[in-house]
Amino acid sequence: DAKTTQPNSMESNEEEPVHLPCNHSTISGTDYIHWYRQLPSQGPEYVIHGLTSNVNNRMASLAIAEDRKSSTLILHRATLRDAAVYYCILRDPSGGSNYKLTFGKGTLLTVNP
Amino acid sequence: NAGVTQTPKFQVLKTGQSMTLQCAQDMNHNSMYWYRQDPGMGLRLIYYSASEGTTDKGEVPNGYNVSRLNKREFSLRLESAAPSQTSVYFCASRNFVLNEQFFGPGTRLTVL
Repeated sequence: DAKTTQPNSMESNEEEPVHLPCNHSTISGTDYIHWYRQLPSQGPEYVIHGLTSNVNNRMASLAIAEDRKSSTLILHRATLRDAAVYYCILRDPSGGSNYKLTFGKGTLLTVNP
Repeated sequence: NAGVTQTPKFQVLKTGQSMTLQCAQDMNHNSMYWYRQDPGMGLRLIYYSASEGTTDKGEVPNGYNVSRLNKREFSLRLESAAPSQTSVYFCASRNFVLNEQFFGPGTRLTVL
């Protein structure tokens, strides 16, 4: 499986934008890039995913490099509720119904008031 | 719409005891998953069920069995608990169209 590399931790101030990087230099042409986050003492929750083009939703934006070897999750205005571990995950859709996600250690985001 | 529910929330076992972790989802999803998360680590896949009637091993299946009872329910059984199975266990189901996994709140299991 292609692997991802994320910083162990990052810090941000409330109401400022946050850019969470992810490197995936061995990504294959069919791998989707997924982001999940895990709030303290909760199960992970889906944030966003994309293949080649930048993606936006109500939670965040995903910027994907042209060569797809890296991506950045962007939280436009961090709130205290965004403090969580953020996971960048590659998913190979060729598994069909055997859809699986492989979680790394992720990035612990601290948001300062 | 409760999403993914798990019972129990907490459990303490002695080495060698058995127990079943229950998971149910009300979103009509075909695929369901069991993960474990050890302190400071990411989640690791134990077993998954792509559809009712099928189950497959994940990354760390040893010491566990699963049953996909019906479309809603996917249980995880520890036949003879060991201290190495002390962990937080998460169940998830997958929305096929949106390619999202939805996770339950977790079961915190301690094996003494």
